[in-house]
Amino acid sequence: AQSVTQLGSHVSVSEGALVLLRCNYSSSVPPYLFWYVQYPNQGLQLLLKYTTGATLVKGINGYEAEFKKSETSFHLTKPSAHMSDAAEYFCAVSGGYQKVTFGTGTKLQVIP
Amino acid sequence: DSGVTQTPKHLITATGQRVTLRCSPRSGDLSVYWYQQSLDQGLQFLIQYYNGEERAKGNILERFSAQQFPDLHSELNLSSLELGDSALYFCASSPGTGGSTDTQYFGPGTRLTVL
Repeated sequence: AQSVTQLGSHVSVSEGALVLLRCNYSSSVPPYLFWYVQYPNQGLQLLLKYTTGATLVKGINGYEAEFKKSETSFHLTKPSAHMSDAAEYFCAVSGGYQKVTFGTGTKLQVIP
Repeated sequence: DSGVTQTPKHLITATGQRVTLRCSPRSGDLSVYWYQQSLDQGLQFLIQYYNGEERAKGNILERFSAQQFPDLHSELNLSSLELGDSALYFCASSPGTGGSTDTQYFGPGTRLTVL
């Protein structure tokens, strides 16, 4: 079985501040991890994914995430928030023959 | 633009009715997935088709059914609609069978409102 926990359903940051969105996973097999972003009235868009190899993964729009096996975490970060980053972010996990399981999402608010 | 198209964008109907949502996957993708997103349930996986065959089933109600046609487009049929079926319905596609590394690409969704 596998699961994803996103800590904080709503996160607010000031424009220019660090963005940190937390994701912890549970998986009985080596996980593959994903972050998706959903802008208002749009579908989900892949930001980045971790499969194997380098644990620091860089994605689009300046986002990156680090896979930490010992902490079972895959937190998403961005050094400086922009107003356009306001959206909902979903962490997801898959592994072995398991289908992708999505977290419940974190809504990011950017304050000018 | 993910390359996945969904029609219609919006659908308003009454309780007890039946509707059909349509999805065209990205060129070359063989798998199609359907998801329901609502405020109280979040993003729920409904069903997956791979090259015309049902591959995996999630939390899909018996009133709902889907199919994938030879040209790989897919339709999700929702019948005997209830107020609680109001939600965003997403289609996603992927190149492979849906294994661990098979990235899913999402369409823009169909917003269903049941009155």
